[in-house]
Amino acid sequence: SSELTQDPAVSVALGQTVRITCQGDSLRTYYATWYQQKPGQAPVLVIYGKNNRPSGIPDRFSGSSSGNTASLTITGAQAEDEADYYCNSRDSSGNHVVFGGGTKLTVL
Amino acid sequence: QVQLQQWGAGLLKPSETLSLTCAVYGGSFSGYYWSWIRQPPGKGLEWIGEINDSGSTNYNSSLKSRVTISVDTSKNQFSLKLSSVTAADTAVYYCARGRTVTTLNYYYYYYMDVWGKGTTVTVSS
Repeated sequence: SSELTQDPAVSVALGQTVRITCQGDSLRTYYATWYQQKPGQAPVLVIYGKNNRPSGIPDRFSGSSSGNTASLTITGAQAEDEADYYCNSRDSSGNHVVFGGGTKLTVL
Repeated sequence: QVQLQQWGAGLLKPSETLSLTCAVYGGSFSGYYWSWIRQPPGKGLEWIGEINDSGSTNYNSSLKSRVTISVDTSKNQFSLKLSSVTAADTAVYYCARGRTVTTLNYYYYYYMDVWGKGTTVTVSS
């Protein structure tokens, strides 16, 4: 299968912890990659590999995986974390790139 | 620091061919796959296709019949052509640098770490 499935929307209270999930068959062999996208901006890489953050990404962002499900966790969500989050990997064949449908995170 | 600068026509009529180019500044062109991604208004990201420095390509199956991605390594540029456009091709188009890594435990990961700013393409008669 070449699909990655995400919940369309998630909300979290300011300062609390939120988990955004991504499911797909390819995640049994690929770690999910996570991007943050704010309105009018290009996506920004936030988590890649087992649990790696690019320079400049706060350590409140972390990634994990189990079976065919990957998770992005934000520990102590801030107002500036309100954004759309997309998971991404290659498909099981390795020949195509796939994105999840995106999760809109609202920080209350 | 690697930067991607993209350009191309922003307004097309139905049946015309979309043409965009992305230039890579400040880094190596080799060792990566260079992708095009699009995002229709209010919708999610859709991968269009990719090319490496050798010219090897992969395309989204749903767009394959209309897409051509090419590379000019002498200029560190890669380009997208999408033929026979319709209103459904209206979107912001991004170029991005991608890489696949194999880990010691035989897992893989793929990431796009550098993105262009995006080009808005509108298809309208």
